[in-house]
Amino acid sequence: EVYLLESGGGLVQPGGSQRLSCVASGFTVSNYAMSWVRQAPGKGLEWVSTISGASYTYYTDSVRGRFTVSRDNSKNTLYLQMNSLRAEDTAIYYCAKDTNIKCCYAMDVWGQGTTVTVSS
Amino acid sequence: QSVLTQPPSASGTPGQRVTISCSGSSCNIGGNLVFWYQHLPGAAPRLLIYNNDQRPSGVPDRFSGSKSGTSASLAISGLRSEDEADYYCVAWDDCLKGRMFGGGTKLTVL
Repeated sequence: EVYLLESGGGLVQPGGSQRLSCVASGFTVSNYAMSWVRQAPGKGLEWVSTISGASYTYYTDSVRGRFTVSRDNSKNTLYLQMNSLRAEDTAIYYCAKDTNIKCCYAMDVWGQGTTVTVSS
Repeated sequence: QSVLTQPPSASGTPGQRVTISCSGSSCNIGGNLVFWYQHLPGAAPRLLIYNNDQRPSGVPDRFSGSKSGTSASLAISGLRSEDEADYYCVAWDDCLKGRMFGGGTKLTVL
């Protein structure tokens, strides 16, 4: 069965750091681009970042320089390292599998999401 | 404010056909593929349409996508109560160098 399971969410203070993980099952993450998408409370979905199969990385402007997407092929796991967190980063974070090894085509498998709350 | 513009809401009665529009520019829809996702509260988003008008396996043929110039549309025919959800269009933007989501359309089945 193909699925994704996120973890690592929680409450973090402004300016703090958090690392999200996304374990993949049923496919090999290095064979596909993998993405993070978030939804802030009361808002729509927003693309955050993608790492291609060749490890090229892409970010939305609001997180570039603060967030880092990476992958551990041996653990078949995707990560999102989030630094200098702001209140506006509060959201449910979803990881998703792209249908192509290159960025940014359809995302056909999604996790259930993990919630990050940035607050003092 | 997203570069892909969707109506914030749409509605229809069971059995009706509804259409959700997505307006962009030459930077995004005009030169790139369009994708559509369905999102129910508390659930994972679901891919509905890829490559402008293709349906993944498992998506009913009641859902269809189209693209013309710098706009795209999602049509849902034979509306059912379980179609009540938020719908998003997505496209790569060559000018902003990013993947853009539309603002989303909340579909209500009356």
